[in-house]
Amino acid sequence: AQTVTQSQPEMSVQEAETVTLSCTYDTSENNYYLFWYKQPPSRQMILVIRQEAYKQQNATENRFSVNFQKAAKSFSLKISDSQLGDTAMYFCAFMTPNRDDKIIFGKGTRLHILP
Amino acid sequence: GAGVSQSPSNKVTEKGKDVELRCDPISGHTALYWYRQRLGQGLEFLIYFQGNSAPDKSGLPSDRFSAERTGESVSTLTIQRTQQEDSAVYLCASSLAWSGTSGAQYFGPGTRLLVL
Repeated sequence: AQTVTQSQPEMSVQEAETVTLSCTYDTSENNYYLFWYKQPPSRQMILVIRQEAYKQQNATENRFSVNFQKAAKSFSLKISDSQLGDTAMYFCAFMTPNRDDKIIFGKGTRLHILP
Repeated sequence: GAGVSQSPSNKVTEKGKDVELRCDPISGHTALYWYRQRLGQGLEFLIYFQGNSAPDKSGLPSDRFSAERTGESVSTLTIQRTQQEDSAVYLCASSLAWSGTSGAQYFGPGTRLLVL
């Protein structure tokens, strides 16, 4: 079975600091996609970043970047220069293409950015 | 509209009543998903529609839950004889078919259901 594990239920950091959210997954597939979604208090889920497993280069979107370690099945999210608006639940997600396209989500990490 | 829309945004009902939740996906998105999110919890997959294929109902928690989708448009999630444990936010998401895309899902704002 394919699973996604987020081992940090909750984290707090000071504004402007850098924070890393952990995610590991389990699959026997070689080709897949990984995602990080953000859910602020407004509860609107927002796609933050995505990574194709066949790409060795880590994805980057402004202050958000990932550390994708395929052999270790690890996909951590780094938020640089954190801002108060980054306060949210963050979900790691996984999808195998050409199968059923169903995305599997982790249980989430609640991130608090402190002023 | 440009995004996924859901209605109603909030629903309060009495135990035992039936409720219908509606989702309008992004135009052209063939895949549609329903999730349940209890307070402070992660997303619980309920059901998945992809084009004209038979839906994946593996996440539906009981036979009180059902969902329909008309073609590649609107979907309705129905909960019969609601129970207090059904209280949650119900999220809908849509995505393009896999081929040629990255498979990212786009979420609606959710329907918050409260069963008294």
